[in-house]
Amino acid sequence: DGGITQSPKYLFRKEGQNVTLSCEQNLNHDAMYWYRQDPGQGLRLIYYSQIVNDFQKGDIAEGYSVSREKKESFPLTVTSAQKNPTAFYLCASSIGDRGRLGYGYTFGSGTRLTVV
Amino acid sequence: LAKTTQPISMDSYEGQEVNITCSHNNIATNDYITWYQQFPSQGPRFIIQGYKTKVTNEVASLFIPADRKSSTLSLPRVSLSDTAVYYCLVGGNQAGTALIFGKGTTLSVSS
Repeated sequence: DGGITQSPKYLFRKEGQNVTLSCEQNLNHDAMYWYRQDPGQGLRLIYYSQIVNDFQKGDIAEGYSVSREKKESFPLTVTSAQKNPTAFYLCASSIGDRGRLGYGYTFGSGTRLTVV
Repeated sequence: LAKTTQPISMDSYEGQEVNITCSHNNIATNDYITWYQQFPSQGPRFIIQGYKTKVTNEVASLFIPADRKSSTLSLPRVSLSDTAVYYCLVGGNQAGTALIFGKGTTLSVSS
C-alpha cells in the first residue's frame, strides 16, 4: 500500500542536541511538507518542497533545516537553535502538478519530540 | 488562501446529527472548500471537498449556499469515534501549495 511513514513515533532529545526526524513516502508525490503542532493549536508550516533539490521556508522555519535529495524523502532536522522544540511534528505529501488545493494530501502519523 | 472562521468547540451525543459551520467571506471564484479531520496524536485526513451546492460521501455531507460565503459540514448520526478536531480550508486550484490550518473545531461526542 502507498503511504507516508514518519519515524520514530516518539523521540527524546537533550537540550543542545540536534535531532533528525524522518519522512518517507512511496506515493510518487512531488510536494512534501513539515508541520508543527502544539497542544490545542492548529498546524503551523515549517518547510515545504515542491520539487527535488528545492524547498521553501514556512511560517516558523527558524531553528529547523531540511533537505530534499530524493523525491521520496524529506527529513527535518531540529537544531539546538530552536528554542522550544517540544511538539508534535507532522509530515505530509501531495501531488505537485495537478489537483485542487486540499485534495490528495496525505499526512504521516507524526513524531512526538520531547526535550529533556 | 481565504480566511476562515469556525467554532472552537462543539458537544454532541451519540446518534445525533452534527453541523459545523465555517465562514469564509473572502472566498475567491476559483476557491474550493475542503474539510479535514484529525484524531489525537494522528495526522489530519481528508473528509470532503466541494465548490457549490451539496456534496455527499460515505463520511459526511457538505452544504454550500449560493453566495459561497459559508459552508456547513454535516456528520449524520455521530458516534464516540467521531470525537476529533475538524478543520475547514478554503483555497484555489493550486496543487502543491502548503495547506494552512487554523485551530479547527473540537467536536466531543458523549454517550
